[in-house]
Amino acid sequence: DVKVTQSSRYLVKRTGEKVFLECVQDMDHENMFWYRQDPGLGLRLIYFSYDVKMKEKGDIPEGYSVSREKKERFSLILESASTNQTSMYLCASSLISGTLPYFGAGTRLSVL
Amino acid sequence: TQLLEQSPQFLSIQEGENLTVYCNSSSVFSSLQWYRQEPGEGPVLLVTVVTGGEVKKLKRLTFQFGDARKDSSLHITAAQPGDTGLYLCAGVFNNQGGKLIFGQGTELSVKP
Repeated sequence: DVKVTQSSRYLVKRTGEKVFLECVQDMDHENMFWYRQDPGLGLRLIYFSYDVKMKEKGDIPEGYSVSREKKERFSLILESASTNQTSMYLCASSLISGTLPYFGAGTRLSVL
Repeated sequence: TQLLEQSPQFLSIQEGENLTVYCNSSSVFSSLQWYRQEPGEGPVLLVTVVTGGEVKKLKRLTFQFGDARKDSSLHITAAQPGDTGLYLCAGVFNNQGGKLIFGQGTELSVKP
C-alpha cells in the first residue's frame, strides 16, 4: 500500500514564525502535491512538483514556498505565518501525471 | 473561478433514509473521482468514473457520470451512521493541464 506520511498531525504557531510542513511518500511516486482544505472551499492546490527540484504553482501559492530536494520528500514552507493560513494542509502523491493521488492524513495548523 | 459545484454543502438525515449528492460543472471532465474523508484523516478514494453515462456501485453507494461528462451524482441507499463524513468530488479537466480540481464537499451526518 502507498503510504504518504505527514510529519505532524497538529501544529500551533505564532504569527510571523517560519513554518515547515514535511511530507514523505514511500512508493517512488513522481508527483507530489500540497493542498489546503477549508470549510466550504474544498481542497485548493498550493504547489505541486513533477520531479526532484521542480515545482509548479497551484491555485493559491501566495505566502507559501516548497522544496523537493529528494524524490520522496516534499516540504511546504510558510516564510512568515499569518492567521489566515490557519487551515488543514494535505499532502498527496501520484505515480505519474494523470494518475490519481494518494493523500496523507493531514496537518491541522493553527496560527495565533 | 470555481469549476466544480457540489451540493448540498450539508446534509443531516436519519438512519435508513436515502440521499443524493451532486457535482456539476460547465466544463467537460476527462475523469471524475469521489472521495470520502473522516475527521482528522485525508480523503480516501471511493470510485473513478471516466465514460459518459457510466454507473458504478459500491455496496449501498451508486455513482453516476452524466452523458455529457459535465456532472456526476452519488446516491446512498439506506444510509447508516457509519456513512457519516465529508464526501468530495474531484474532476480532471482537459483545459486545466490535467490538474485534479475539488468541489467544496458535502458534510453528511447520519443520525441513528
